[in-house]
Amino acid sequence: RKEVEQDPGPFNVPEGATVAFNCTYSNSASQSFFWYRQDCRKEPKLLMSVYSSGNEDGRFTAQLNRASQYISLLIRDSKLSDSATYLCVVNVGGSQGNLIFGKGTKLSVKP
Amino acid sequence: ETGVTQSPTHLIKTRGQQVTLRCSSQSGHNTVSWYQQALGQGPQFIFQYYREEENGRGNFPPRFSGLQFPNYSSELNVNALELDDSALYLCASSSHTGELFFGEGSRLTVL
Repeated sequence: RKEVEQDPGPFNVPEGATVAFNCTYSNSASQSFFWYRQDCRKEPKLLMSVYSSGNEDGRFTAQLNRASQYISLLIRDSKLSDSATYLCVVNVGGSQGNLIFGKGTKLSVKP
Repeated sequence: ETGVTQSPTHLIKTRGQQVTLRCSSQSGHNTVSWYQQALGQGPQFIFQYYREEENGRGNFPPRFSGLQFPNYSSELNVNALELDDSALYLCASSSHTGELFFGEGSRLTVL
């Protein structure tokens, strides 16, 4: 079983749609959780951290369920500029740089 | 811009050769991490350096080695290149908050 698994995608949605990404992780000792965004042939950039209480940043909502080892990202009112690959990321502890990345889910928002 | 710069941006090598990739971290960041991202995959942690010492290592063979210098810049060296080493190599720097800032990467092709 992979350490971090994501929906295989790709997701093709019209502008204005709501889209949800799911992610599961295998290490119950995982300490912190993130969603990164990666544009085509660019570096990953932090989109948002994910907290147990859930957190929201504008159109983006992230949820964490530690019991189920499940993380989600919801994007409301999709924009063309949201088109990218979304990477689910887990820190299993130890050095801060040792992040475990999922394979990513590609999102294409169409006019 | 993250302030993390990598060089070279692209390079082509042949099997068995050696390569050195370089990274300048963001000002004030004393921790540098290196990741390998194969096509269609998420980044995989290679190792991290903190104050010139290796501070964690992923599942990569010893022919992957690194250095960090007093100014916190870093090098990744790969010996005896194999075809599967073809990938985007990402450097990320971080401060005490733990957030990673990635450079744009060095794209290595091994023929």
